[in-house]
Amino acid sequence: EIMMTQSPATLSVSPGERATLSCRASQSVYSNLAWYQQKPGQAPRLLIYGASTRATDIPARFSGSGSGTEFTLTISSLQSEDSAVYYCQQYNHWPPLTFGGGTKVEIK
Amino acid sequence: QVQLQESGPGLVKPSETLSLTCTVSGGSVTGDYWNWIRQPPGKGLEWIGYIYYKGYSNYNPSLKSRVTLSVDTSKNQLSLRLTSATAADTAVYYCARWPLTDIGVYYYMDVWGKGTTVTVSS
Repeated sequence: EIMMTQSPATLSVSPGERATLSCRASQSVYSNLAWYQQKPGQAPRLLIYGASTRATDIPARFSGSGSGTEFTLTISSLQSEDSAVYYCQQYNHWPPLTFGGGTKVEIK
Repeated sequence: QVQLQESGPGLVKPSETLSLTCTVSGGSVTGDYWNWIRQPPGKGLEWIGYIYYKGYSNYNPSLKSRVTLSVDTSKNQLSLRLTSATAADTAVYYCARWPLTDIGVYYYMDVWGKGTTVTVSS
């Protein structure tokens, strides 16, 4: 089973500032990585797939990068509505598909 | 635009079977692959398994002995059955889509239901 480790657990960022979230895989998943955003009481929403491709209707301030075992989700200019928990998920080695433990982004 | 809606009993007794349904609207269950994912209170996401209407399926090894997924094409619904429920199965349960295109299936979840909460307790 591929272990996905996200850091930091919590990130506090001021509006308009950049937020950088990390995700590490226990072995290479190539570019088979997705990012999701989950707001309280809501289902996750797909943000990024293929490590760097934005999903439909996702604002350009969200970007993904990385390959192999190290990945980054960047929110270039944090908005208040970006307060959420963000999960990475690998889909290279499965079953099982595995998710990271999440990074909670707070607005400072 | 495909929409998903989970439904089922909100309370299940320990040792009983947890059964949930996911209704697909705006599309056909035969058009894509379908997943179930769960999230215990205050915790992260756990993939349960996937199913395709032709009978292809696969499960998380940690749950494989207790889980059965199925598709009812006549009702445009998916179903999940989890036997021998325990308190550890208390979670929000989501159904979600893997999109199937002319190129093939993509293994990320691009459409999610809103989820249904299941509590396992006597």
